[in-house]
Amino acid sequence: EAQVTQNPRYLITVTGKKLTVTCSQNMNHEYMSWYRQDPGLGLRQIYYSMNVEVTDKGDVPEGYKVSRKEKRNFPLILESPSPNQTSLYFCASSFQGASYNEQFFGPGTRLTVL
Amino acid sequence: AQSVAQPEDQVNVAEGNPLTVKCTYSVSGNPYLFWYVQYPNRGLQFLLKYITGDNLVKGSYGFEAEFNKSQTSFHLKKPSALVSDSALYFCAVRDDRGSTLGRLYFGRGTQLTVWP
Repeated sequence: EAQVTQNPRYLITVTGKKLTVTCSQNMNHEYMSWYRQDPGLGLRQIYYSMNVEVTDKGDVPEGYKVSRKEKRNFPLILESPSPNQTSLYFCASSFQGASYNEQFFGPGTRLTVL
Repeated sequence: AQSVAQPEDQVNVAEGNPLTVKCTYSVSGNPYLFWYVQYPNRGLQFLLKYITGDNLVKGSYGFEAEFNKSQTSFHLKKPSALVSDSALYFCAVRDDRGSTLGRLYFGRGTQLTVWP
């Protein structure tokens, strides 16, 4: 089944404790992206990757890191999480990254930083 | 600057009535417009998109959307609403300019409630 998977689905952590949210897709998509969803703010793009070893900032990159060493994986790293990073996170992928290609979303990761 | 506005946080309609969820956008170049739907505790699902051509585009689950360039709008419509259409709907836009190909801008979302 074609899908985007994220792990973990739920995570409660404490301020300053480094964490990684994994994202993997099995559709051979070149483009991958991370978003955060907050009530009243919709989805905001954190980082995206047009292809392997190519990443770029979205609207809200501060406090996050990403890497794209393989085509299928695009982990999101929070080096020193803070409470304002408590949010619902979505990973997405699409074919080729062209502007007109729709994105496929993962199920989401709900992160709470205490 | 690129942006998307969904002026209504909530839309309530009776089952069987037509529904409209509004979206306006702002881009520098030509827009690529999308609608996504989010059901509770799920990720977003693609509904439909406008790239070029016919201003009325049809998508999944009987939804359609009308692109209006002069009003910079892309409203989502359905002739007859179902209770199962109740969900959170997001409008999104991408710019066709090369420097921002990877960026996708979402609206804040509109909660659609269809009551029996």
